[in-house]
Amino acid sequence: QVQLVESGGGVVQPGRSLRLSCAASGFTFSSYGMHWVRQAPGKGLEWVAVTWYDESIKFYADSVKGRFTISRDNSKNTLYLQMDSLRDEDTAVYYCARDRVPSLNSASLDYWGRGTLVTVSS
Amino acid sequence: DIQMTQSPSSLSASVGDRVTITCRASQNIYTYLNWYQQKPGKAPYLLIYGASTLQNGVPSRFSGSGSGTDFTLTISSLQPEDFATYFCQQSYMNLLFGGGTKVEIK
Repeated sequence: QVQLVESGGGVVQPGRSLRLSCAASGFTFSSYGMHWVRQAPGKGLEWVAVTWYDESIKFYADSVKGRFTISRDNSKNTLYLQMDSLRDEDTAVYYCARDRVPSLNSASLDYWGRGTLVTVSS
Repeated sequence: DIQMTQSPSSLSASVGDRVTITCRASQNIYTYLNWYQQKPGKAPYLLIYGASTLQNGVPSRFSGSGSGTDFTLTISSLQPEDFATYFCQQSYMNLLFGGGTKVEIK
């Protein structure tokens, strides 16, 4: 069955960096676009970034552009989110999620991980 | 930028009720609209994509309609497991979620 497992969250000071990972299994990872979505405590969902299945195209939310970098290693079935220059407002649960349609960017997300909590605080 | 407005932000309903949640886009997004359900402490779950297509395994009491700027999620007969928060999401231009509608027990 499809599984997505995030890791790498924790407490970090403002201005510092953190890298999240998402280990995928149960499907052909290299065929699907992958997204990061975050949710601040008690708040709604905010899309963060997407990478197409072959990394040919990447998009970011304005709120993280220039600070966060999405990447993937298809040989390791792993998605990453490098987060630099972290701010208090980046505090959230970060979810990785799979695009529903292989080899396309349907931007509908059919499988999600359980999330990893990032807390930015001094 | 496209804005997504969901209403109501919360509602109280009883088991068996018909529930309707609306989502409005600030510009035409055709049928690039998805709906998710989220329960406390859990990841979101895709219910409907393309405004009206039920994701595999989703009960038929859920339905979606609309196109352009106005969309609706309907639960025909609310079940105990349906008490949750529902989010719409446009997929016309990157992704943007609505603010959510919390469905609570009356």
